[in-house]
Amino acid sequence: ETGVTQTPRHLVMGMTNKKSLKCEQHLGHNAMYWYKQSAKKPLELMFVYNFKEQTENNSVPSRFSPECPNSSHLFLHLHTLQPEDSALYLCASSQGRGGQPQHFGDGTRLSIL
Amino acid sequence: GEDVEQSLFLSVREGDSSVINCTYTDSSSTYLYWYKQEPGAGLQLLTYIFSNMDMKQDQRLTVLLNKKDKHLSLRIADTQTGDSAIYFCAPGDNAGNMLTFGGGTRLMVKP
Repeated sequence: ETGVTQTPRHLVMGMTNKKSLKCEQHLGHNAMYWYKQSAKKPLELMFVYNFKEQTENNSVPSRFSPECPNSSHLFLHLHTLQPEDSALYLCASSQGRGGQPQHFGDGTRLSIL
Repeated sequence: GEDVEQSLFLSVREGDSSVINCTYTDSSSTYLYWYKQEPGAGLQLLTYIFSNMDMKQDQRLTVLLNKKDKHLSLRIADTQTGDSAIYFCAPGDNAGNMLTFGGGTRLMVKP
């Protein structure tokens, strides 16, 4: 079992659809992160959860809604997305303290039609 | 906030050394990380250095840190075609758990 698993790997959706991205970590970490990676910009941090509590929301539009039911699972609920939201969405986890690096999943490639 | 700059491309021949450079602005960064991203994959942690060190060696990888100039570099010895990927520099904040990523350097290794 890999450390951080993201599903689905690829997702194509229309602008009016609702879908969810899932992330699961098997590393016993306490912190989980959502990042957006698009072609023209550096990796952008979206949300951070520590012990299931959201500690960072980096001015993300409300059409992205995160959920963290426990320290091992993180979801990103999507609705009414725009074409510019097409990107690779990466999940990471860490122990949440200094010197403990973030470990990444392989991402979900999202395409908005 | 922190700004992290990397050059976009680096091309080397197989067997040569590669040096990927990174500059950052936040002098309070405590841990500084290097990640590798291969096509279609997420980011793989390569190595990291603590800010009270100026060099760390890990097999073919050598990290150099110049805190005064806020300059970090990653040297890959005996570069192989499998090293072709995008390399990201990511200084952590003073708590060490929030990272700011550079734009990445695409390393191309020619046989």
